[in-house]
Amino acid sequence: DVKVTQSSRYLVKRTGEKVFLECVQDMDHENMFWYRQDPGLGLRLIYFSYDVKMKEKGDIPEGYSVSREKKERFSLILESASTNQTSMYLCASRENSPLHFGNGTRLTVT
Amino acid sequence: EDKVVQSPLSLVVHEGDTVTLNCSYEVTNFRSLLWYKQEKKAPTFLFMLTSSGIEKKSGRLSSILDKKELFSILNITATQTGDSAVYLCAVESYNAGNMLTFGGGTRLMVKP
Repeated sequence: DVKVTQSSRYLVKRTGEKVFLECVQDMDHENMFWYRQDPGLGLRLIYFSYDVKMKEKGDIPEGYSVSREKKERFSLILESASTNQTSMYLCASRENSPLHFGNGTRLTVT
Repeated sequence: EDKVVQSPLSLVVHEGDTVTLNCSYEVTNFRSLLWYKQEKKAPTFLFMLTSSGIEKKSGRLSSILDKKELFSILNITATQTGDSAVYLCAVESYNAGNMLTFGGGTRLMVKP
C-alpha cells in the first residue's frame, strides 16, 4: 500500500519565519503535489513535480517554493511565513493512479 | 480554467437516510472524475469515473457520471454515523499533466 508521510502533524510558526514542510512517499512515484485546504475553498494546488528537480506552479504558488532533490521527497518552503498562510497542507503522490495523500500538516502562523 | 462545483455545501441527516451529493464540472479534455472521503486526516479514494452511465458501486456507496451534462452524483444509502465526513470531487484533464482540480467539498453529518 502506498504510504505518503508528512513530517509534522501540527506546526506553529511566527510571521516572517522560514518554514519547511516535508513529504516522503515510498512507492517510487514520479508525480508529487502540494495542496492547501481551506474551509469552503476545497483543495488548491500550490506546486507539483513530475520528476527530480522538476517543478511546476499550480494555482496559488505565490509565497511558496518547492524542492525535489530526491524522487521520494518533496519539500514545500514558505520563505517568510504570513498569517494568510495559516492552513492545512496536504502532500500527495501518484503514478497513473488516484492521488494518495499524506495525513496533512496543520500550520498556524501567528 | 477548469472548475468543479459541489453541492450542497453541507448536509445533516439521520442514520438510515439516503443522501445524494452532487458534483458539476467544466473542464477541457476531460480524463476522469474522482470522489474522495475525508474524515480527520488524509482524503481516501472512493471512485474513479471515466465513462458516462456506468455506475460504480462499493457497499452502500455508488456513483455515476454524465459526461453530456457534465456532472456526477455520489449516493450513500442507509447512512451510518461513520459516513460523516467531507466528500471531495475532483476532475482530471489531459491538458493539465497529472493535476486534479478539486471542488469545495460537501460536509456530511449523520446523526444517530
